Amino acid sequence: DGGITQSPKYLFRKEGQNVTLSCEQNLNHDAMYWYRQDPGQGLRLIYYSQIVNDFQKGDIAEGYSVSREKKESFPLTVTSAQKNPTAFYLCASSIAGGAVYEQYFGPGTRLTVT
Amino acid sequence: AQKVTQAQTEISVVEKEDVTLDCVYETRDTTYYLFWYKQPPSGELVFLIRRNSFDEQNEISGRYSWNFQKSTSSFNFTITASQVVDSAVYFCALSEKGGSEKLVFGKGTKLTVNP
Repeated sequence: DGGITQSPKYLFRKEGQNVTLSCEQNLNHDAMYWYRQDPGQGLRLIYYSQIVNDFQKGDIAEGYSVSREKKESFPLTVTSAQKNPTAFYLCASSIAGGAVYEQYFGPGTRLTVT
Repeated sequence: AQKVTQAQTEISVVEKEDVTLDCVYETRDTTYYLFWYKQPPSGELVFLIRRNSFDEQNEISGRYSWNFQKSTSSFNFTITASQVVDSAVYFCALSEKGGSEKLVFGKGTKLTVNP
């Protein structure tokens, strides 16, 4: 079955530690995205990538880093510089180029930093 | 700058009632795309519909229907004969062509359908 996987579903970390969230897709999509969702809020874009080895900052990139070494994978690192990292993180992918296509989302990772 | 407003924060209905979720958008582009997503309690966003700015035809899919009106910059979503399984948070989103294809989301409307 094609889809997007994110692991783990729940993640707990101590303040000051970096943590990496995994995102893998087997939809053969070129574009991948990371969003953050806070309670009662919409999704805000952290980073996106439209092609391997290239990525762009979204609206709230400070304190986060990404890599795109493979088409299938787009890991997100939440660094200790992120002031308020506790949130629900969603990864998405889509076809890129031409029109704007719908994004398909993974199940999300709920990160709690104490 | 693009913006999506979902003025209804929460809606509660009784099963079998019809319910309309409002979405108003702002954009300076003539070419743009609108989306609706459903987020059930599990958290994963489920894609419902995509509409481009040149296609104002309304769409019906089972109990779901969408009303796109460029004159009022609205893209409203109606659920007919609601069911308990429709309980979720619904997000409207906008993307401008040429805007790196990123989505701007509204804050969502939480729909509760009571038995």
